[in-house]
Amino acid sequence: EDQVTQSPEALRLQEGESSSLNCSYTVSGLRGLFWYRQDPGKGPEFLFTLYSAGEEKEKERLKATLTKKESFLHITAPKPEDSATYLCAVHPRETGNQFYFGTGTSLTVIP
Amino acid sequence: GAVVSQHPSRVICKSGTSVKIECRSLDFQATTMFWYRQFPKQSLMLMATSNEGSKATYEQGVEKDKFLINHASLTLSTLTVTSAHPEDSSFYICSARGLDRGETQYFGPGTRLLVL
Repeated sequence: EDQVTQSPEALRLQEGESSSLNCSYTVSGLRGLFWYRQDPGKGPEFLFTLYSAGEEKEKERLKATLTKKESFLHITAPKPEDSATYLCAVHPRETGNQFYFGTGTSLTVIP
Repeated sequence: GAVVSQHPSRVICKSGTSVKIECRSLDFQATTMFWYRQFPKQSLMLMATSNEGSKATYEQGVEKDKFLINHASLTLSTLTVTSAHPEDSSFYICSARGLDRGETQYFGPGTRLLVL
């Protein structure tokens, strides 16, 4: 059964303290893996799409990487405004249009 | 990027009334739109998928007669919650995917529904 697991569930960092969020997945074939940021009371904001193992994408303090079993979202020198829930979603080959979402990592960056 | 809007952002209604939520893709043509529901501190739950000009595909457990979805054009999909009850109170989010945007789904800002 296709599955997406994100860890940790919650993460508290001091401002400037770099860390990584994990998204592990088990799917029969991957069409794409997606990272989103969601602020309370708002819809998810698109961050990255990764299609194949070894691919990396960067945007400001965020960098997403992908292997055949997992993806990491690296946050370098985070700022308080990076506080949000980060969602990972997987689009398997066999499911048509459906995405499978993880439950998210709630990140809090303390000034 | 790609911009998806939703209207209204917040709605309060009485039990038994119907509520319509609009989802628009503003700068691309959305061949497929998705409707999600999200409960507090939980991830998104897919309710249905709609392709322009055809009937929506509902996920298991989602009542198609209660949650009416119309995707009449490449930029607009609507979700109508019919005869709403307090248990329908939730955060409803749409997303859109376009042929020229790869596999990515772009999300709207969400609609908070409160049924009294």
